[in-house]
This record gives sequence, structure tokens and C-alpha cells, in this order.
Amino acid sequence: EAGVAQSPRYKIIEKRQSVAFWCNPISGHATLYWYQQILGQGPKLLIQFQNNGVVDDSQLPKDRFSAERLKGVDSTLKIQPAKLEDSAVYLCASSLDPPNTEAFFGQGTRLTVV
Amino acid sequence: AQSVTQLDSQVPVFEEAPVELRCNYSSSVSVYLFWYVQYPNQGLQLLLKYLSGSTLVKGINGFEAEFNKSQTSFHLRKPSVHISDTAEYFCAVSRSGGYNKLIFGAGTRLAVHP
Repeated sequence: EAGVAQSPRYKIIEKRQSVAFWCNPISGHATLYWYQQILGQGPKLLIQFQNNGVVDDSQLPKDRFSAERLKGVDSTLKIQPAKLEDSAVYLCASSLDPPNTEAFFGQGTRLTVV
Repeated sequence: AQSVTQLDSQVPVFEEAPVELRCNYSSSVSVYLFWYVQYPNQGLQLLLKYLSGSTLVKGINGFEAEFNKSQTSFHLRKPSVHISDTAEYFCAVSRSGGYNKLIFGAGTRLAVHP
């Protein structure tokens, strides 16, 4: 079974530039998550999709971050414009419907904003 | 709202010694509990989970955890560690039932020395 695919693995941009990350979840997983993991901290949920609808985006900085999940499969997360404090690893995860709530994580995209 | 506190940021231990990584949670409703492991430059991998039933949960790689509702704890243990267990370990909680988000602790870095 293929895992959660993310690209790119690494990205370096200057502040005020824009950047996009892509995620392909495990086939059949209806729930998709984007997490932000700042160095030395635990992952923080940015947004959670159920199919192509948003379940939770309470911690998404909506003035600069956006995410979409067209057709309930792939997802993209965009930052525009980026700030220095956005430097982090962005993790995508997916899971089946509850009660099987195990989330499977991709390898993440390491973003460095300079 | 739920929260997770991992009581130790770093735990050094010698190879073949036992180890316990401590996790306390806070919630006014019933919860699911998880332990994830993260190796360098990798995503998170599920070690074990507690959904219901037996409070002693066995996971992969010889790890186990015990759910203690009265003490709101979910400590992770392994009777004999290996060098390969060196990694970051995250405790996570979610409300039981429905599409509820995973909330992570700050992580504990386990360093196994020869």
C-alpha cells in the first residue's frame, strides 16, 4: 500500500514570496490533515478536510495561508506572502473514517524562509 | 478543549535499559490516546493507540503504554531499549468519536547510548 506522498521535500524562499505544497493521501482515506511542525515543537493542526469539506481550520492563519482539496483526493497548501516565522516542516496526514482514527503521515516538506 | 503535556523534553538512557516516557492529558470528555515516533527527517509513525477496552496497550517495536484515567496519564514504556529507538516521541489526544483533531504534545527526545 502506497503511503502519503508529499512534495517538494525541501523548499527555500525569501520572505514575502509565495509557496505551495502538495499532498496525495492514501487511497480511500476520506480525512486529510495539514500540520505545521516548528523545530522543537509538536505538530500543530492547520486544517482538516473530510472529503473536500473543511472540518477544522481554526488554527489556520487565513490572511496568508490557504488550502484546498479538490475532488476529495489531492490537496494543496499555499502560503502567500511567507514570513520568517513560517519556517517549519509541513506534514500531511490521512485517515479512514472514525472510529479508525489512526493518521498516516507523509515525510513532510521542510520550508525555510530567509 | 484537550491538551497534552509531555513531562520530559529529553530522556537519555543506556542500551538495554528500561525506559518510560511520560504523558499527561487534560480533557473534560472521553478521549482517544496515541503515541507516535518520528525519526530524523521522517514523518510520524504510529506506535500504539488507546481507543477503549484494556488499559494496557501493546504497540510495535516492543513498546507498551498504560491508560490511567484517574491520573489522566498515558505513559510509554519499553523494558529494554536499542540504539535504533533513538528518536522523537509524541503523545497525542483526540476527543472520542466523530472527526476530531489530533492534539500533540511537544515531544520527548529519547537518546539511547551504547
